[in-house]
Amino acid sequence: GDSVTQMEGPVTLSEEAFLTINCTYTATGYPSLFWYVQYPGEGLQLLLKATKADDKGSNKGFEATYRKETTSFHLEKGSVQVSDSAVYFCALSAGSYQLTFGKGTKLSVIP
Amino acid sequence: DAEITQSPRHKITETGRQVTLACHQTWNHNNMFWYRQDLGHGLRLIHYSYGVQDTNKGEVSDGYSVSRSNTEDLPLTLESAASSQTSVYFCASSAGQGRYTEAFFGQGTRLTVV
Repeated sequence: GDSVTQMEGPVTLSEEAFLTINCTYTATGYPSLFWYVQYPGEGLQLLLKATKADDKGSNKGFEATYRKETTSFHLEKGSVQVSDSAVYFCALSAGSYQLTFGKGTKLSVIP
Repeated sequence: DAEITQSPRHKITETGRQVTLACHQTWNHNNMFWYRQDLGHGLRLIHYSYGVQDTNKGEVSDGYSVSRSNTEDLPLTLESAASSQTSVYFCASSAGQGRYTEAFFGQGTRLTVV
């Protein structure tokens, strides 16, 4: 079946540090890939997406590139802020309308 | 603005009681989903629906049921609450057009079974 594996946290970074959260996937068919973010006490919201190989999704300074050859969709940001502290979920949708999520990575950014 | 709302936001119930969590969306989406979020497990799919009168079991459906009588609502019922069902529950909806299936999430219901 479909699965998503992402690096487990928690991850603690200083403000303005570079962020990478690794995500790899296994899927039947040709999935769409997503990063969702969950701020404390809130539901999930879409951060960025990519629907085909070599697509780069970007939003709020975050980027991720759909790499079909390595089945990866790593999340990056060049300079994190305290306001980026949240839980980040990698997810895929392959052939159905369901989302399969990774376990989430908690990011804490300290001033 | 369209939205998806869950109620209640917090619920404490006793073991063995029947509990219903509400989910209402104004996106006019065909697809609706219920997930539970637990530490170390991420989000796991409980039940989902692709339209009125359609319901399907997800990965962790035992002890839960849903019904879809209209487009806007997908209530989740715990038939006989158990301590293992203490969790945060999220409802989501999506239009499900093509391969791009962005889902919109409610703010969650924190359920405690004592």
